[in-house]
Amino acid sequence: DTGVSQDPRHKITKRGQNVTFRCDPISEHNRLYWYRQTLGQGPEFLTYFQNEAQLEKSRLLSDRFSAERPKGSFSTLEIQRTEQGDSAMYLCASSRTPGTTDTQYFGPGTRLTVL
Amino acid sequence: EDQVTQSPEALRLQEGESSSLNCSYTVSGLRGLFWYRQDPGKGPEFLFTLYSAGEEKEKERLKATLTKKESFLHITAPKPEDSATYLCAKRDSGGSNYKLTFGKGTLLTVNP
Repeated sequence: DTGVSQDPRHKITKRGQNVTFRCDPISEHNRLYWYRQTLGQGPEFLTYFQNEAQLEKSRLLSDRFSAERPKGSFSTLEIQRTEQGDSAMYLCASSRTPGTTDTQYFGPGTRLTVL
Repeated sequence: EDQVTQSPEALRLQEGESSSLNCSYTVSGLRGLFWYRQDPGKGPEFLFTLYSAGEEKEKERLKATLTKKESFLHITAPKPEDSATYLCAKRDSGGSNYKLTFGKGTLLTVNP
């Protein structure tokens, strides 16, 4: 069990640029989640995949955000035309279902800074 | 309106000084109440899941308890390495029963 991994760990970009983050879930975990966390706040839900299907997107996820999970393995989160308000920690989590707890295990996060 | 409220926002303890963190929640059906620990610049680390009122779980110096409206994280004889932000999250039964709704966390500092 190598845990959830995310890449890159840090990303600095200029306003208006596109960025893409990658998440590799724990193997055999069929559910994958993206959350966003700003300073002093708890993580906020963005979107959720079961296998390769994206089942829900939060209202926080504007049209500039897109997420994919091809083949139900790793996932990518892309932000187009970044804005300073997009600066945050982007967290990925995974879980396995069916399971007794369906506990979500988080990765280390990708810290995005938009200048 | 916050659905998960944690208090206090910050807590400073001396090593060995026991205390409790509070998490209150509003939900008609609870599918789980989760506690995570988060160190600066890192992702949340899972601690406990509680499902029903009266349930308790322990891990080293930590004990989590659950009532119908709130959960407590009791810290007994804390050490400096217990310093972190402790996050509480709920998972609702019903339609959106997969996502976690987090509180803002309690920043715990344990001084030696």
